[in-house]
Amino acid sequence: QVRLWESGPGLVKPSETLSLTCVVSGYSISSSQFWGWIRQPPGKGPEWIGSLSHLGDVYHNPSFKGRLSMSMDTSRNQFSLKLSSATASDTAMYYCARAVDRIGVALFDLWGQGTLVTVSS
Amino acid sequence: DIVVTQSPDSLAVSLGERATINCQSSQSVLYSSDNKNYLGWYQQKPGQPPKLLIYWASTRASGVPDRFSGSGSGTDFTLTISTLQAEDVAIYYCQQFYSAPHTFGQGTKLDIK
Repeated sequence: QVRLWESGPGLVKPSETLSLTCVVSGYSISSSQFWGWIRQPPGKGPEWIGSLSHLGDVYHNPSFKGRLSMSMDTSRNQFSLKLSSATASDTAMYYCARAVDRIGVALFDLWGQGTLVTVSS
Repeated sequence: DIVVTQSPDSLAVSLGERATINCQSSQSVLYSSDNKNYLGWYQQKPGQPPKLLIYWASTRASGVPDRFSGSGSGTDFTLTISTLQAEDVAIYYCQQFYSAPHTFGQGTKLDIK
């Protein structure tokens, strides 16, 4: 059974860096083209953050304006997100997910359960 | 950015009846090179991540019941649930995956009347 789960601090102080890791089990991340991060503020719709592949291709949502960094560690079968200069507007449920192969970088068919990150002092 | 707008924001339908949700994009998501609409639909139940229902505007994802169907092209799309079941109570989102930032609609909350 394929599982994704997100890990990282649930509370981040303003101006600090929000860091999350997605661990994948039951499936090699090298077997799919793209993996991504999506967030969802409380009571709102999802927002695509970015997608990356094991071949080094990375796509960012331009609205994150250079604050975003994503990386992949195939030896640990995991990928990571770093969002610098966090503000209260970054408070959201953060999901990692697998993109559907041969369809696009940002259509996702398998999701983690999500982790709630609150940005507050 | 492509803006995706859903209507209505909420609706209530009787069990066994048809539910229809609309999605409009601010520009066409029909890719001319493959004649496919880069539009998907998701279902989200409380406390769960979104679940992919439909892609290419009308192709059901694996395991999705055939009472769910998608239609439309260009900028106007529809998700139809032919006979509403109790387990279909959820928020439904459309998403364009034509171009970054791959925007989602604001969601439509579906309840039982």
